[in-house]
Amino acid sequence: DTGVSQDPRHKITKRGQNVTFRCDPISEHNRLYWYRQTLGQGPEFLTYFQNEAQLEKSRLLSDRFSAERPKGSFSTLEIQRTEQGDSAMYLCASSLGPGTQPQHFGDGTRLSIL
Amino acid sequence: GDSVTQMEGPVTLSEEAFLTINCTYTATGYPSLFWYVQYPGEGLQLLLKATKADDKGSNKGFEATYRKETTSFHLEKGSVQVSDSAVYFCALGNSGNTPLVFGKGTRLSVIA
Repeated sequence: DTGVSQDPRHKITKRGQNVTFRCDPISEHNRLYWYRQTLGQGPEFLTYFQNEAQLEKSRLLSDRFSAERPKGSFSTLEIQRTEQGDSAMYLCASSLGPGTQPQHFGDGTRLSIL
Repeated sequence: GDSVTQMEGPVTLSEEAFLTINCTYTATGYPSLFWYVQYPGEGLQLLLKATKADDKGSNKGFEATYRKETTSFHLEKGSVQVSDSAVYFCALGNSGNTPLVFGKGTRLSVIA
């Protein structure tokens, strides 16, 4: 069990640029979640996949955000035309089974918009 | 919808003091309850869990009991250490296709 890994750990970019983050879940986990966490707050749900299917998206996920999970393995989260308000920690988690099962988190990608 | 409320921080304790962080929830059905811990610059680590009423989750000296009658899942530790300084999140997971619902977190600082 190598845990959930996220890349990069930190991303600094200028407003208006596009950024892409990657998440590699625990290998046998079929569910993968993306959350956003701002300073002093708990994680807020963005979207989730079961295998390769994206099953739910939060209202927080504007049209500038897109996520994929090709082949049901790793996932990418892309933000287009970044804005100051996108500065946050983006957390990925994976689980085996339904919502009552624990989710295992990566260390996150911290995004800073200049 | 489902929600979690946990006590506001920050909480500052001396080493070896007793810790309680309160957590209450509102949910339909039969959720599972979790405590996660987040150290600076890191992601969330699962600390303990409970899947049904009266279950007690425990790990690393921390305990929490799933109380359905009071809809609570308070985190306790008998003797805190400096290394326990972190942010603690109470979370709820319900059946079906739902993400975890988190409280806002409680920052704990333990001083020697």
